[in-house]
Amino acid sequence: DAKTTQPPSMDCAEGRAANLPCNHSTISGNEYVYWYRQIHSQGPQYIIHGLKNNETNEMASLIITEDRKSSTLILPHATLRDTAVYYCIVRVQADYKLSFGAGTTVTVRA
Amino acid sequence: NAGVTQTPKFQVLKTGQSMTLQCAQDMNHNSMYWYRQDPGMGLRLIYYSASEGTTDKGEVPNGYNVSRLNKREFSLRLESAAPSQTSVYFCASNPQGTGELFFGEGSRLTVL
Repeated sequence: DAKTTQPPSMDCAEGRAANLPCNHSTISGNEYVYWYRQIHSQGPQYIIHGLKNNETNEMASLIITEDRKSSTLILPHATLRDTAVYYCIVRVQADYKLSFGAGTTVTVRA
Repeated sequence: NAGVTQTPKFQVLKTGQSMTLQCAQDMNHNSMYWYRQDPGMGLRLIYYSASEGTTDKGEVPNGYNVSRLNKREFSLRLESAAPSQTSVYFCASNPQGTGELFFGEGSRLTVL
């Protein structure tokens, strides 16, 4: 039983913001939202995580709704190198069993 | 720092052969993991080691064994390889208590 739901694929234009949605309607109060990406069969790369506040780092921004049932990962200025599979994961900090679903395949087009 | 290093990067086995995938990390992380990824699928957890001296089963442990040799190294062994174990295997590590995993580049295994 999946904890998160993501669209299977999406396209975006180079230089524009890419907004990647994730639904996690059954998230519990102590579960964090994590985002990873995997570029062309390389090992996944951590992007960002948050609990309830919005977060920003050098790679992306994470917007979590007030009820925490969904979130959006924002790549502010997508480049061709951002083409990847993006995984949204919910996890209790102490949980070792981090599971990756199918993710969203994002294709950035010139 | 090399991060997480996996060897070998590619391997072809015949059904019934055995082999060990090696993983080492130089980040002084407590926890280490082995995942497999089949074509077009997400990653599935095989085994993990929360800390040196402990190992636990993940989602798909059947057909595999692991050894946490020391804090740096975590190996995955296939005792009798089967074609269903053809996959890309990823090792990862993280500081205990965080969800920020650091992954190796993967080991591509084909079982004929």
